[in-house]
Amino acid sequence: KAGVTQTPRYLIKTRGQQVTLSCSPISGHRSVSWYQQTPGQGLQFLFEYFSETQRNKGNFPGRFSGRQFSNSRSEMNVSTLELGDSALYLCASSLGYVTGRVTDTQYFGPGTRLTVL
Amino acid sequence: AQSVTQLGSHVSVSEGALVLLRCNYSSSVPPYLFWYVQYPNQGLQLLLKYTSAATLVKGINGFEAEFKKSETSFHLTKPSAHMSDAAEYFCAVSDRDGNNRLAFGKGNQVVVIP
Repeated sequence: KAGVTQTPRYLIKTRGQQVTLSCSPISGHRSVSWYQQTPGQGLQFLFEYFSETQRNKGNFPGRFSGRQFSNSRSEMNVSTLELGDSALYLCASSLGYVTGRVTDTQYFGPGTRLTVL
Repeated sequence: AQSVTQLGSHVSVSEGALVLLRCNYSSSVPPYLFWYVQYPNQGLQLLLKYTSAATLVKGINGFEAEFKKSETSFHLTKPSAHMSDAAEYFCAVSDRDGNNRLAFGKGNQVVVIP
């Protein structure tokens, strides 16, 4: 079974621009989560989408947004880029069914390395 | 909110020696716990997870972790380090109330000394 794929792998943008990152989950997975990884802040949760709806949201400004399509593929958009947005953006997919009895394991893609100049 | 603490950002271990990475969680209700590994320029790979089925959890690559409720810990061990174990290791937690977000520790960069 193919893993989580993310495109592009590397991006260079300048301040003020916007960027869109793409994530294709593992086949059959309906949940896609996004994380930001930086040396200073570590791994931080951005948001989660399940069945085309945002189900959870982290503590990031409104410049960070996302969406999910009917085939579970997800995109993340960052508008008005700032230098501090330089990071590795990781996408994770899972089945998406969370209950008190069953864990929902997240599988990560290789990430998109965004550099803002 | 759930959180985990990993102490010691860099851990050096001799090849063949025990690998021990510590993780403590903050929760009155045992959460779901995970260990992930990240190799350079790659995403995160799941090593193992605790789901309450067993307190000693075996994972891939010879790693295992023991859940201790009394100590709110989920330490990761491997009896004999290999050069290929050089990587960054993250402990993560998610709660059991339907929230699918993971909260990660700061990570441990493991260096294996030949």
